[in-house]
Amino acid sequence: EVNLVEAGGGLVQPGGSLRLSCSASGFTFSTYWMAWVRQAPGKGLEWVANIKQDGSDKNYVDSVKGRFTISRDNARNSLFLQMNSLRADDTAVYHCARDVGGNLDLWGQGTLVIVSS
Amino acid sequence: QPVLTQPTSLSASPGASARLTCTLRSGINVETYKIYWYQQKPGSLPRYLLKYKSDSDNQQGSGVPSRFSGSKDASTNAGLLLISGLQSEDEADYYCSTWYSSTWVFGGGTKLTVL
Repeated sequence: EVNLVEAGGGLVQPGGSLRLSCSASGFTFSTYWMAWVRQAPGKGLEWVANIKQDGSDKNYVDSVKGRFTISRDNARNSLFLQMNSLRADDTAVYHCARDVGGNLDLWGQGTLVIVSS
Repeated sequence: QPVLTQPTSLSASPGASARLTCTLRSGINVETYKIYWYQQKPGSLPRYLLKYKSDSDNQQGSGVPSRFSGSKDASTNAGLLLISGLQSEDEADYYCSTWYSSTWVFGGGTKLTVL
């Protein structure tokens, strides 16, 4: 079965760090761009970052540049998002998604990140 | 001003057609961009519907009914999602998206109510 499963969310204080992971199965992970997309409670979708198949190209939304780092381990079929200097407005459900040229055709259920003191 | 602007809500009757708009910021020409559309029902994950750049450059998502189609309105600099024969199951949030300045950008979403 084709699937994406995120982990690593939780409650963190402002200024803290979290590392999200996404485990892929059922498809050849190494042949796809991958992305992180977040959705704050009751709000719309916000693309966060994406990464090329071999990790050589990464892009970020301006609001997370310098704070978040996307990475992948193709040997472990895994995608990561290292989040530092977290702020209250980073609170959201973070989804990993398979990126087929902008067509985010497969989404994980997401992991909730709450930034609060 | 956001790159993509969508009306917050839209209502339409069952069986009617709906025209959802996604307006690009002034100075960004809709004709040069592919516009992607997603549907998100309450409590569900977003679902890719289609992408549209032109009549010769567009793609329907897998399993997406032909009632959903894309278009553009150059006069208003907007991408369009057209839904014909509205059904109650079409009630959802709809998001447009495009690749701009090396990032993917989503519009704020339109809540479509079918009543």
